[in-house]
Amino acid sequence: DTAVSQTPKYLVTQMGNDKSIKCEQNLGHDTMYWYKQDSKKFLKIMFSYNNKELIINETVPNRFSPKSPDKAHLNLHINSLELGDSAVYFCASSQDTGYNSPLHFGNGTRLTVT
Amino acid sequence: SQQGEEDPQALSIQEGENATMNCSYKTSINNLQWYRQNSGRGLVHLILIRSNEREKHSGRLRVTLDTSKKSSSLLITASRAADTASYFCATGRNNAGNMLTFGGGTRLMVKP
Repeated sequence: DTAVSQTPKYLVTQMGNDKSIKCEQNLGHDTMYWYKQDSKKFLKIMFSYNNKELIINETVPNRFSPKSPDKAHLNLHINSLELGDSAVYFCASSQDTGYNSPLHFGNGTRLTVT
Repeated sequence: SQQGEEDPQALSIQEGENATMNCSYKTSINNLQWYRQNSGRGLVHLILIRSNEREKHSGRLRVTLDTSKKSSSLLITASRAADTASYFCATGRNNAGNMLTFGGGTRLMVKP
């Protein structure tokens, strides 16, 4: 009964490949996010969706494309992977769009690009 | 640059001691949240304190907020080995949409 689940947990791939990370939440939340955590543990928001609509799109290369088929799912597709994309990617959800809502995080996907 | 900056970056204490972590931020905020991250896991929400609040408690956790100094502290009393984790502060601003901005975290080690 994991609240926010993302797959895969580990992803090792070569430069130039295309890969996807999937995320699902069973909390009934309206808003979902993708965060990137670098090797120094800094967390940076990439995207935010509310009820399947994009509401935040930070400065992220066009190679990253989020897709939300319904409000319980937010997937992240990455084209033409680069070495610098190696990081841990976290999916999260919150009750509403307000920053006053605590975020619930998945356990992360560690992406290694070789 | 990061909105929140935690201090210290790393902290090592003995079980039973108190641990204090600080967070400073640069712009006005509407609330500040603290999260814990165990190794290899996602972040877990601990406490949210609003800008009009000065102190909040949750079990062994005590959070203070000083908006005049743009700083917050997280105190863990009577620490346990299970408290070993990284602790992050995150700030929310109403002119930043629903974006929470995280600091780089404090890595706490509690030795048994």
